[in-house]
Amino acid sequence: AQTVTQSQPEMSVQEAETVTLSCTYDTSESDYYLFWYKQPPSRQMILVIRQEAYKQQNATENRFSVNFQKAAKSFSLKISDSQLGDAAMYFCAYRREGGAQKLVFGQGTRLTINP
Amino acid sequence: DARVTQTPRDKVTEMGQEVTMRCQPILGHNTVFWYRQTMMQGLELLAYFRNRAPLDDSGMPKDRFSAEMPDATLATLKIQPSEPRDSAVYFCASGLKTTGGWTEAFFGQGTRLTVV
Repeated sequence: AQTVTQSQPEMSVQEAETVTLSCTYDTSESDYYLFWYKQPPSRQMILVIRQEAYKQQNATENRFSVNFQKAAKSFSLKISDSQLGDAAMYFCAYRREGGAQKLVFGQGTRLTINP
Repeated sequence: DARVTQTPRDKVTEMGQEVTMRCQPILGHNTVFWYRQTMMQGLELLAYFRNRAPLDDSGMPKDRFSAEMPDATLATLKIQPSEPRDSAVYFCASGLKTTGGWTEAFFGQGTRLTVV
């Protein structure tokens, strides 16, 4: 079974600084997708960024970028120029290619932005 | 603006009562998921449907939980009887699976259930 591990229950960063959230996963599959979801206090699960395992190039979305290390099964999220609105729970998630499109989530990292 | 709609947003009920949570998937989506979020277990899949047929409900306690899709615009999750350990946030998500691929799942805002 696939597992996703986020080893940082909480992180904090000064506004405008850069922060990196860590995620590792375990799978025997070769084709899969990795995600970072943001959950603000409103509870809405918001997709931040997606990475296809077959792509070597790291995904970026504006201030959000990932460092995908397939051999190490590592998938970290970097948030640049942190803003107060970035404060939320962040979940790393895995989905295998084909079959069920279900997501396997990590335990989450609570990110605090200090003004 | 297409979205997944869940009702109620919050529900407080007494132990032993029946609870029904509803989800309206995005129009045209053919796949619906139910996830449960707790502090201890995190986010876990309870069940999912494709074209209204249940494909996997292995994550769901069978004795008290049931999930159905009466039609393509409505998914329900029922708990009967409810217990305090069922207190959690229940998320519905929907997506579209075609022969060409898959849209990533869109989540509703969840139903926060408190069983006292």
